[in-house]
Amino acid sequence: DAGVIQSPRHEVTEMGQEVTLRCKPISGHDYLFWYRQTMMRGLELLIYFNNNVPIDDSGMPEDRFSAKMPNASFSTLKIQPSEPRDSAVYFCASSTNGGAQAYEQYFGPGTRLTVT
Amino acid sequence: GQNIDQPTEMTATEGAIVQINCTYQTSGFNGLFWYQQHAGEAPTFLSYNVLDGLEEKGRFSSFLSRSKGYSYLLLKELQMKDSASYLCAVRGYNKLIFGAGTRLAVHP
Repeated sequence: DAGVIQSPRHEVTEMGQEVTLRCKPISGHDYLFWYRQTMMRGLELLIYFNNNVPIDDSGMPEDRFSAKMPNASFSTLKIQPSEPRDSAVYFCASSTNGGAQAYEQYFGPGTRLTVT
Repeated sequence: GQNIDQPTEMTATEGAIVQINCTYQTSGFNGLFWYQQHAGEAPTFLSYNVLDGLEEKGRFSSFLSRSKGYSYLLLKELQMKDSASYLCAVRGYNKLIFGAGTRLAVHP
C-alpha cells in the first residue's frame, strides 16, 4: 500500500516567489491535514479537509497561504508570495474515521521548504 | 485555551526503562495520541488512548488519566533505535493538537 505522497521533497526558492506543495493522501481516507513544523513552534496544524471540503483553516497564518483539494486524491498548499519566515517542513497527513485505523493520522515524508 | 506540556529532553541507557510524561489542558477531548519522530523523518503513530488506563503494545505502553489531564508513554528494554522525538497529541473534534515533543537520547 502506498502511503501519503508529497512533492517536492525539497524546495529552495527566493523571497517573493510562489511555492506550491502537493499531496496525495492514502486511497480511501476522507480526511486530509496540512501541518508545518519548525524548531521554534513545533508541529502546527494549518488546515484540514473532510471529503474534499475545507473544515478548519484557523491555523493558516495569513492570506499568503491557500490550500485546495479538487478531488479525493490530490491537495495543494500554495504560498504566494513566500517569505524567509515560511521556511519549515510541511507535512501532509490523511486519516479515516472508519474501521480499526480510525483517527490515526498517517503522515507523508514532508517537504522541506527554504526561502532565501 | 489549549496547552500540552512535555519535557524537552530526556536521556536514558540502552536496556533501561523510560517514562515520558504529558499533561494537557484542552477545550475538547476525544483521545490522546503518541507519535514517534526520528530526525528528518515524518511522525509515525505509536499509541492511542481514549479511556483511562494502560494500553500495552510490545515494548511501548501508554497511560491516560482524563480527570488529571495526564498521560505517559513507557518505553521498556530501550534500544539505540528508540532515540527520537516523542510527540504527545490531543484530539479535539477531528484535529490533533501536538505538544512540542520530547527528544529522547539513548546511550550505550
